[in-house]
Amino acid sequence: DTAVSQTPKYLVTQMGNDKSIKCEQNLGHDTMYWYKQDSKKFLKIMFSYNNKELIINETVPNRFSPKSPDKAHLNLHINSLELGDSAVYFCASSPARGAGEQYFGPGTRLTVT
Amino acid sequence: QKEVEQNSGPLSVPEGAIASLNCTYSDRGSQSFFWYRQYSGKSPELIMSIYSNGDKEDGRFTAQLNKASQYVSLLIRDSQPSDSATYLCATSGGTSYGKLTFGQGTILTVHP
Repeated sequence: DTAVSQTPKYLVTQMGNDKSIKCEQNLGHDTMYWYKQDSKKFLKIMFSYNNKELIINETVPNRFSPKSPDKAHLNLHINSLELGDSAVYFCASSPARGAGEQYFGPGTRLTVT
Repeated sequence: QKEVEQNSGPLSVPEGAIASLNCTYSDRGSQSFFWYRQYSGKSPELIMSIYSNGDKEDGRFTAQLNKASQYVSLLIRDSQPSDSATYLCATSGGTSYGKLTFGQGTILTVHP
């Protein structure tokens, strides 16, 4: 029983392409997040949704568009991929907005060539 | 100045020793503090949370918080090779309300 799952695990694509990453949680949590972890392992929040409503939108290029069809799912679509988008993207969830106890998915390693 | 700072290490300790990991934060409004452990190639997992000044113990782990000094630490007693990982300090509250702000992590290596 995977609590927070992401697909795909690996994504290799060329510059300029559009790609999506999907995330699902079966914990019954209200809040979900997208994080980016760069090559130096620095983990930074990108977006947060609470019950399908966007509540945090950090300074992220608008090529990145999150979508939450329901509170158990949070997807990330990236347009016009650039080399600098190469990173590991983690989805996470928490029981409530602002909760520091977050549960992370396995990550999606995106490589843009 | 980074919002949450950690010594990136690597910190190397022998098996059985105490590993001491430190973290400082700049936002005085921060209210909640967390330690996450991340094994290589894996996702972060929460190991400790602390909300008030003082010590909090959980098994071999002790988190210490000093809000006046804006300092958080994690002590790992009787370190084991399986403790080798990157330890991420995170804060929330203040300007980070509703989200976690992470430090860059400290790599810990426990050698037999």
